[in-house]
Amino acid sequence: EDQVTQSPEALRLQEGESSSLNCSYTVSGLRGLFWYRQDPGKGPEFLFTLYSAGEEKEKERLKATLTKKESFLHITAPKPEDSATYLCAVQPPGGNMLTFGGGTRLMVKP
Amino acid sequence: ETGVTQSPTHLIKTRGQQVTLRCSSQSGHNTVSWYQQALGQGPQFIFQYYREEENGRGNFPPRFSGLQFPNYSSELNVNALELDDSALYLCASSLARSSGNTIYFGEGSWLTVV
Repeated sequence: EDQVTQSPEALRLQEGESSSLNCSYTVSGLRGLFWYRQDPGKGPEFLFTLYSAGEEKEKERLKATLTKKESFLHITAPKPEDSATYLCAVQPPGGNMLTFGGGTRLMVKP
Repeated sequence: ETGVTQSPTHLIKTRGQQVTLRCSSQSGHNTVSWYQQALGQGPQFIFQYYREEENGRGNFPPRFSGLQFPNYSSELNVNALELDDSALYLCASSLARSSGNTIYFGEGSWLTVV
């Protein structure tokens, strides 16, 4: 059974204070690893899909990286509008269903 | 804007009742999945439909059922509602077996069971 663990559960940063969120996974096979952002009361917003170890993707202040056992979401010089819950999910080969972690709730204070 | 629309956005039901939630997938996407997200947790996979057939199911009882229509829109039906069914229900659409794999979610339907 695929398992995804995200840490920390919650993270408080000052504006401009860079940090990283961790997503550890155990899978029998990996088709893709997904990162989403979710604002309160909203559906998850797609950020990145990573497919193989060593891959990196960037979008504005966010950069996602992937190894064989974990993924990191690096946030550089965050702003208050980056406050949200960040979800990580894995997708098995041959299927479109996702197994999610519990999320990291990020709060960025001005 | 993901192009995935869900209705209704909020609803309240009584324990034992039945509910139907609806989803229109992004144009051209032939695969629809449903997820349940309890407060403070990550989404959990309920089931997936591809070409109007159920194509994968998570650990949910048979009182959770669904349909996919020829235009790829979908319904989630839950019978004999229980208090623990209170959650955000999310619909996701994608292209099956796509090499550029992106899965988009709608804004969800909030279900409260009292």
